[in-house]
Amino acid sequence: AQKITQTQPGMFVQEKEAVTLDCTYDTSDQSYGLFWYKQPSSGEMIFLIYQGSYDEQNATEGRYSLNFQKARKSANLVISASQLGDSAMYFCAMRDYTVAGTALIFGKGTTLSVSS
Amino acid sequence: NAGVMQNPRHLVRRRGQEARLRCSPMKGHSHVYWYRQLPEEGLKFMVYLQKENIIDESGMPKERFSAEFPKEGPSILRIQQVVRGDSAAYFCASSPSDRTPRNQPQHFGDGTRLSIL
Repeated sequence: AQKITQTQPGMFVQEKEAVTLDCTYDTSDQSYGLFWYKQPSSGEMIFLIYQGSYDEQNATEGRYSLNFQKARKSANLVISASQLGDSAMYFCAMRDYTVAGTALIFGKGTTLSVSS
Repeated sequence: NAGVMQNPRHLVRRRGQEARLRCSPMKGHSHVYWYRQLPEEGLKFMVYLQKENIIDESGMPKERFSAEFPKEGPSILRIQQVVRGDSAAYFCASSPSDRTPRNQPQHFGDGTRLSIL
């Protein structure tokens, strides 16, 4: 069965520092996509970044980058130059493309706290 | 606002009452997913619908929960005879078809926070 594991319940970082949020996944499929979402205290789910299983380059979106290591089945999110507004819950999710319309599978999340 | 719209944002019910949660997908989208988020947890898939059809309800409890997506109007998630354990945030996401492009994320509504007294 597919599974997403986020082993860090909470992470603390100072402003302007970089932080890595860990995500490992388990799937027997060859075609899948990995996503990161941010959930601030206001509760909405904000899409951050995507990595496809066949993408050779690590995805980047502004201050967000995804450290994709396929052999290790890991897809860690790196946030560079942290800002106070980055304090939120972060979720790693996976979609399996071998079945049409498949929903996302989420990890339990990591709470990031950024201090000044 | 062209995004996924959910209402109400907050819903309070007493045990035994019914809860109705609404989701209007993005314009042009005919596929809807419902997820539930329990406190301190990630989102868990409940049901996947397209207009007038339930495609996959494997994540939805067999009793008390039902979902529909009529030809006209929003998708509705209905919870009958609510219990305290139904307290959660319920999110909806939509997509234009079942052949979602690989890199297309699911965009979520802001969720409905259901509290059971």
